[in-house]
Amino acid sequence: ILNVEQSPQSLHVQEGDSTNFTCSFPSSNFYALHWYRWETAKSPEALFVMTLNGDEKKKGRISATLNTKEGYSYLYIKGSQPEDSATYLCAFSPGKLIFGTGTRLQVFP
Amino acid sequence: EAQVTQNPRYLITVTGKKLTVTCSQNMNHEYMSWYRQDPGLGLRQIYYSMNVEVTDKGDVPEGYKVSRKEKRNFPLILESPSPNQTSLYFCASSLKIPGQGAGYGYTFGSGTRLTVV
Repeated sequence: ILNVEQSPQSLHVQEGDSTNFTCSFPSSNFYALHWYRWETAKSPEALFVMTLNGDEKKKGRISATLNTKEGYSYLYIKGSQPEDSATYLCAFSPGKLIFGTGTRLQVFP
Repeated sequence: EAQVTQNPRYLITVTGKKLTVTCSQNMNHEYMSWYRQDPGLGLRQIYYSMNVEVTDKGDVPEGYKVSRKEKRNFPLILESPSPNQTSLYFCASSLKIPGQGAGYGYTFGSGTRLTVV
């Protein structure tokens, strides 16, 4: 069974803090790694799709890196804001997407 | 506006009463999929469709049916719902098969919270 693990499960930070979380996946048969942002009572929204080892993507204060050889991706948020509060999902693809259970981030003013 | 429209948002039904959750996308996407979200578990794929009249089982297809008669629509049918199908359901679409090739992320619908009593 292929597993995608995200850590930590939840995170509480103060406004202005920078934070990061991890997505771990099997390092064989890699096609792609997706990150989604899921706000409460809304639907998941795509943040990044990464396909190459060493990929780095950035959208505003949020960035992600990818290491396919060791099987992990990091998501970074610089200067967290309350509106960043959400669950961040990663999904690994060895051909079809397998979702992790997410990291729930809460940013306090 | 490019979107996936899913209805209803909330549904409470009784065991055995057939129901359909509709899903429609306006982006001319080839690939559509249904997922369920349960506490402590990642999104699990129920069924997917790679194009019109092409559907296949995902990881948890038991108790569900789908059809893809037109490119834009992909309804999820529960012929005889049971309490273990109480869940949050998402429809999602992608230009091509997500997870293969660069840039093909999902656009998700707004979700349907189904309760079967």
